[in-house]
Amino acid sequence: EVQVVQSGAEVKKPGESLKISCQTSGYPFTDYWIGWVRQMPGKDLEWMGIIYPGDSDARYSPSFEGHVTISADKSINTAYLHWSSLKTSDTAIYYCARHRRNSRYSAFGNWGQGTLVTVSS
Amino acid sequence: EIVLIQSPDTLSLSPGERATLSCRASQDVFSSFLAWYRQTPGQPPRLLIFGASDRATGIPDRFSGSGSGTDFTLVINRLEPEDVGVYFCQQYARSPYTFGQGTKLEIK
Repeated sequence: EVQVVQSGAEVKKPGESLKISCQTSGYPFTDYWIGWVRQMPGKDLEWMGIIYPGDSDARYSPSFEGHVTISADKSINTAYLHWSSLKTSDTAIYYCARHRRNSRYSAFGNWGQGTLVTVSS
Repeated sequence: EIVLIQSPDTLSLSPGERATLSCRASQDVFSSFLAWYRQTPGQPPRLLIFGASDRATGIPDRFSGSGSGTDFTLVINRLEPEDVGVYFCQQYARSPYTFGQGTKLEIK
């Protein structure tokens, strides 16, 4: 059974750095793209980017490129979303999700439970 | 980027009725790389339909997707109370893989 488990809620101040994680199990980690989706309070879903853990090929939405970094550690089946300098507007729930099939062109078939990130001074 | 516009914003129907949700794309979604998800409060989205018309594992046949090009539809037959939620479409034909703004389905 595929499982996607995200790290817990975070409270940070503007300007601080943060890395949240997404650990998966139940399938070959290196074979499937994993992505990150932002949902601001009461808002829509926003596709941030995806990574192929096999070679760490990452693709970003222009809306997020340069502000976040997506990475993966094959040794522990974990993907990450990293900010070097948070803004209050980064307050949101962040979902990690695995592609349904082992292709770059795929819907998200398995979702994590979400990580709430609160950025406030 | 491909912009997806969903309609209506809100749909309020009674149990047993049929819901028809629309998703229109600003550009051709080639290979019908379009998915539908449902999200309920406090939960992550759940995949319902992929490839415009294929049901995901465990999704009942009351749910059907159709369409191609720029116009896609999700039909839910014989509505049940558990169908409440916000339904999002997503295209994964061209990066960034954008989502629609969602249709909220209420059951009277």
